[in-house]
Amino acid sequence: DAGVTQSPTHLIKTRGQQVTLRCSPISGHKSVSWYQQVLGQGPQFIFQYYEKEERGRGNFPDRFSARQFPNYSSELNVNALLLGDSALYLCASSLAPTGTGTEAFFGQGTRLTVV
Amino acid sequence: DQQVKQNSPSLSVQEGRISILNCDYTNSMFDYFLWYKKYPAEGPTFLISISSIKDKNEDGRFTVFLNKSAKHLSLHIVPSQPGDSAVYFCAASDSGSNYKLTFGKGTLLTVNP
Repeated sequence: DAGVTQSPTHLIKTRGQQVTLRCSPISGHKSVSWYQQVLGQGPQFIFQYYEKEERGRGNFPDRFSARQFPNYSSELNVNALLLGDSALYLCASSLAPTGTGTEAFFGQGTRLTVV
Repeated sequence: DQQVKQNSPSLSVQEGRISILNCDYTNSMFDYFLWYKKYPAEGPTFLISISSIKDKNEDGRFTVFLNKSAKHLSLHIVPSQPGDSAVYFCAASDSGSNYKLTFGKGTLLTVNP
């Protein structure tokens, strides 16, 4: 019974580069959300996708983009990386969009370090 | 503007005693609340949730209480165990909004043997 899987677990990028993070939701879950967690803070909402459509977007610049594929997996892309993008990026999957009384289950996260 | 606040950065309790973690919110549109536990180097793990139509939800050692008039919720862990030591996040959502979960900053719980 696989949970939410994210890849890679760690990566180091240079300022100005681009990065793609990947997430596979729990089987049967159609909603994927992305969150950014910096040290000492709670996770901050970036995007939510449900049935391959964007259903919500947080207060992040246009350098952040995402998409959901027909198999419900998802990618988060960040362009023109800044030092401040260094964080733990969390993917959460749920049966329905969160906020509808559905619990979200998180992956272990991708630790991104921008140098 | 922090809409979900966990004002205690840390809490230390003895094994077997009760742990009470508190959370306050400012957005009256929030109608669903969740607690997550997070160990280092892992993603948050769902613990328990409560809808705004209820004032209490219980699951084993974990009970969440919701006081809508005070915009306050609390998580009770009884009895506390050393394995409960982790960061606990309170989260809230508004079903009429863009479906996001809004998290507090977390409370580090340490249960001493």
